Amino acid sequence: SAVISQKPSRDICQRGTSLTIQCQVDSQVTMMFWYRQQPGQSLTLIATANQGSEATYESGFVIDKFPISRPNLTFSTLTVSNMSPEDSSIYLCSVLGAAAWGTEAFFGQGTRLTVV
Amino acid sequence: QQPVQSPQAVILREGEDAVINCSSSKALYSVHWYRQKHGEAPVFLMILLKGGEQKGHEKISASFNEKKQQSSLYLTASQLSYSGTYFCGTPTPPDMRFGAGTRLTVKP
Repeated sequence: SAVISQKPSRDICQRGTSLTIQCQVDSQVTMMFWYRQQPGQSLTLIATANQGSEATYESGFVIDKFPISRPNLTFSTLTVSNMSPEDSSIYLCSVLGAAAWGTEAFFGQGTRLTVV
Repeated sequence: QQPVQSPQAVILREGEDAVINCSSSKALYSVHWYRQKHGEAPVFLMILLKGGEQKGHEKISASFNEKKQQSSLYLTASQLSYSGTYFCGTPTPPDMRFGAGTRLTVKP
């Protein structure tokens, strides 16, 4: 299993500013995943963060807007840059961890971002 | 590619049953099911493996259709605590893709 500590849990930000979200995992993992969940919607993968290399971004997400750091095997940050109200969403980090039945996705508590 | 879930929403009375479907354009080798309560992170419920083996939750079951392109989640004798949004997840190494979710509401 894996326990993920994510912070901040929520924030209200002014448009044009940036927010950095942090995730700390209690065990070493090769990959960490960042998802966005807009109100009432599903989880959309933003990018996969590997330690020691650049993150891999999904279609529609770019590094300039969502820079990611992965300095070691237990930590990652996602920055939401030059924010606009359309960025208001819940951001979640996730890892795939070993479980008795194979693998399981574990999530941080989420960061609820409101851009005003 | 994200799996397709149906229905979008279900409203039940306590004790009633529900079925949630998860479809893919390709054969599924395993399907994960997660439940998310409002304001909380998704939590793992169960996994359905390609041989039909299920792991994870005693009161919730799942199955594949014949072509293994659809999985169905069965919630029997629903309880108030079953309310939440259910997501199916299909492992697409190295990550996982999730369906759009099914909002389940159980009323007394």
